[in-house]
Amino acid sequence: DVKVTQSSRYLVKRTGEKVFLECVQDMDHENMFWYRQDPGLGLRLIYFSYDVKMKEKGDIPEGYSVSREKKERFSLILESASTNQTSMYLCASSFSSGRGTYNEQFFGPGTRLTVL
Amino acid sequence: AQSVTQPDIHITVSEGASLELRCNYSYGATPYLFWYVQSPGQGLQLLLKYFSGDTLVQGIKGFEAEFKRSQSSFNLRKPSVHWSDAAEYFCAVVGDYKLSFGAGTTVTVRA
Repeated sequence: DVKVTQSSRYLVKRTGEKVFLECVQDMDHENMFWYRQDPGLGLRLIYFSYDVKMKEKGDIPEGYSVSREKKERFSLILESASTNQTSMYLCASSFSSGRGTYNEQFFGPGTRLTVL
Repeated sequence: AQSVTQPDIHITVSEGASLELRCNYSYGATPYLFWYVQSPGQGLQLLLKYFSGDTLVQGIKGFEAEFKRSQSSFNLRKPSVHWSDAAEYFCAVVGDYKLSFGAGTTVTVRA
């Protein structure tokens, strides 16, 4: 079974703090993704990575950065947390797709971040 | 750019009754379509997917969905709902090699 794990289920931070959210997958997937989930908005893509040290901006990258030093690990960084970044953060991974194809994404359980 | 609309924010259904969740998509080419379910406190689990071929797709947990190109729809159905089906359901479409999700429909099951 594919397993995507996230370092924390719940996290409380203060405004201005630097926050690291970690995601690890055990299926040797090339692609990894970070989403945030907000009521009424569904899931929105923050960043994704298609290889080690490679990253692409998603739909809402402002205020976030990412790091992928190893294939199995993808980190989301909030350089200076703000209250509007209070949300559920979901990590996902998938095999790489050839052009015209698409592979299923597997999701972690999520991290609920509260910024006070 | 692609987009997904789920018109129903919340649906309440009795246990044993049928369920239909609506999904409309916007995408210029042939879409890849998905339904995911998120149980309370859990990540997303894939219920079913449509890439091509038969427009009626069978998934896990007794769910099925029908792709209708003329209506740009991919509605999810289950003939008889169980209490464990209470969850949030997301429809998604692939475009530009990225998933775009709808806002979700929360399903409440009453005894």
